[in-house]
Amino acid sequence: DTGVSQDPRHKITKRGQNVTFRCDPISEHNRLYWYRQTLGQGPEFLTYFQNEAQLEKSRLLSDRFSAERPKGSFSTLEIQRTEQGDSAMYLCASSLSVRAANYGYTFGSGTRLTVV
Amino acid sequence: LAKTTQPISMDSYEGQEVNITCSHNNIATNDYITWYQQFPSQGPRFIIQGYKTKVTNEVASLFIPADRKSSTLSLPRVSLSDTAVYYCLVGYNDMRFGAGTRLTVKP
Repeated sequence: DTGVSQDPRHKITKRGQNVTFRCDPISEHNRLYWYRQTLGQGPEFLTYFQNEAQLEKSRLLSDRFSAERPKGSFSTLEIQRTEQGDSAMYLCASSLSVRAANYGYTFGSGTRLTVV
Repeated sequence: LAKTTQPISMDSYEGQEVNITCSHNNIATNDYITWYQQFPSQGPRFIIQGYKTKVTNEVASLFIPADRKSSTLSLPRVSLSDTAVYYCLVGYNDMRFGAGTRLTVKP
């Protein structure tokens, strides 16, 4: 296992277009998280899954954002009708939760989105 | 969710020990304390996690007093490559990041 993989690494899109990012977590990890990070700020929590169930969504996740984890393995994050304010690094992380204890996150390298 | 407070930035020199303290006055009984390191254009990397007292691994130590209202990350003998942003997180089911502490190690 090579860790958490995110694809693509970079994405440039025109305002108004839809984009989709993919995250492949560590295979035995049952939790998957999405974060967004802008320059000089800490990562902002967007949403997380336990297996295939989406358990929490931040208010930052507007109606234009949707995330799925259909089989409890990889996840996708889609942004519809992109805006310039969506330009950021989108980070995925996974973790193993056993008996509700959380043993730290492993992050991917992120997808850098630029909306022009 | 427990809010954390860390210094915005710290400077140090190679070979020195660096201690970064995080305040989390309203930490809940079930909350763990976790520290991450982040380099530019990379995702955060897990450093250490603890619940109480002291935890040590190959890269750092984490000191947690009995009241758990603060924690201190200790980096022994830092090098230039330890220049990064360090985040203190407190939580149970999910983790929210603050602005972190930007550590600059000088030669």
